[in-house]
Amino acid sequence: NAGVTQTPKFQVLKTGQSMTLQCAQDMNHEYMSWYRQDPGMGLRLIHYSVGAGITDQGEVPNGYNVSRSTTEDFPLRLLSAAPSQTSVYFCASRPRDRGRDEQFFGPGTRLTVL
Amino acid sequence: KQEVTQIPAALSVPEGENLVLNCSFTDSAIYNLQWFRQDPGKGLTSLLLIQSSQREQTSGRLNASLDKSSGRSTLYIAASQPGDSATYLCAVGAGYALNFGKGTSLLVTP
Repeated sequence: NAGVTQTPKFQVLKTGQSMTLQCAQDMNHEYMSWYRQDPGMGLRLIHYSVGAGITDQGEVPNGYNVSRSTTEDFPLRLLSAAPSQTSVYFCASRPRDRGRDEQFFGPGTRLTVL
Repeated sequence: KQEVTQIPAALSVPEGENLVLNCSFTDSAIYNLQWFRQDPGKGLTSLLLIQSSQREQTSGRLNASLDKSSGRSTLYIAASQPGDSATYLCAVGAGYALNFGKGTSLLVTP
């Protein structure tokens, strides 16, 4: 299994540009989520999904959109990038079942917005 | 809102020492607690997962304990090695996602 994969690894954007961060998992996990990690702030939840077609907002959702058309994929869209969105973005997944709910993380995407 | 605190923020120890990293949380209504390791510029690697009904989990030289009633968890690392140098993150699960502490940065010197 590849686990949780993310692309790209690095990205530089100009203010106002849009882009999509890709996330895929091959473990058939129902739950997927996106976090951002900033110095001194820890990891904060952006959006999450409990299954195909179902998404919801986390702690810091503004400026980001998500959709989940398949169990495997959970892309994160930045519609109009801002310097405040410079961060490291992590995608995670876990099974739905309690007792097996260990979270697995991807390697991250390092985004710089100029 | 669940608040997760990790103490100390940074720790430097000589190789071979046993050490304890601390994690506290404000809301005891949790599903589980997970410890991660993060190397510089890398992703998160899961170390141990403790369910709310469990008191501890062990993996090799690592032992994690959970006291839900007092809102505390500890990660014990035995016989530390330079390869253990990393940031250790504690995360509390109480629903669909995790609430993270800010981590303890560990340096093990030869």
